[in-house]
Amino acid sequence: ETGVTQSPTHLIKTRGQQVTLRCSSQSGHNTVSWYQQALGQGPQFIFQYYREEENGRGNFPPRFSGLQFPNYSSELNVNALELDDSALYLCASSLKASKRDYGYTFGSGTRLTVV
Amino acid sequence: QKEVEQNSGPLSVPEGAIASLNCTYSDRGSQSFFWYRQYSGKSPELIMSIYSNGDKEDGRFTAQLNKASQYVSLLIRDSQPSDSATYLCAVNNNDMRFGAGTRLTVKP
Repeated sequence: ETGVTQSPTHLIKTRGQQVTLRCSSQSGHNTVSWYQQALGQGPQFIFQYYREEENGRGNFPPRFSGLQFPNYSSELNVNALELDDSALYLCASSLKASKRDYGYTFGSGTRLTVV
Repeated sequence: QKEVEQNSGPLSVPEGAIASLNCTYSDRGSQSFFWYRQYSGKSPELIMSIYSNGDKEDGRFTAQLNKASQYVSLLIRDSQPSDSATYLCAVNNNDMRFGAGTRLTVKP
């Protein structure tokens, strides 16, 4: 299967709850990155996983955590949801070789609404 | 100082004109540079990548990179209404950082 797939597409949660978002990487890619995009803003880097290890993190609190699995699929977990966590969450996969990234392929995103 | 800065626009050009989009970045160690297009309600899609100083052309798109000035630009020739979207500049040094995007409107 080609392309990056994310699930679910939409989600509504209550403040204080926990959420898990899922991503399947494009075939042949070994790196997955997660982004948060608020309305009218550019994607904000949350973290990146390379070969199942966290390989960089943006300015997000520890309640944002992740995993990458041996098949390069990934999860983003957010605990203690806040209203400001409402956003589009984007997963992007890429091939990292010799420390160079050859462009990211994005999934269609998960729209999270916290009420 | 933001890591990647773009003029938020909106930028409006008539059909057939050249649209010029600009971006500056702060990390001198950045290795790779990208332009993404994002239609409203959709995810970003890669349209250009550039790794070396100079120009890179792909169809109606030309990316320009000047590492000494920490400056990246995108030119869209013969702009079409279908080019109306938000254009995101992205800079990579281990991970990818995005600008806030420039909204482009091409008027028929």
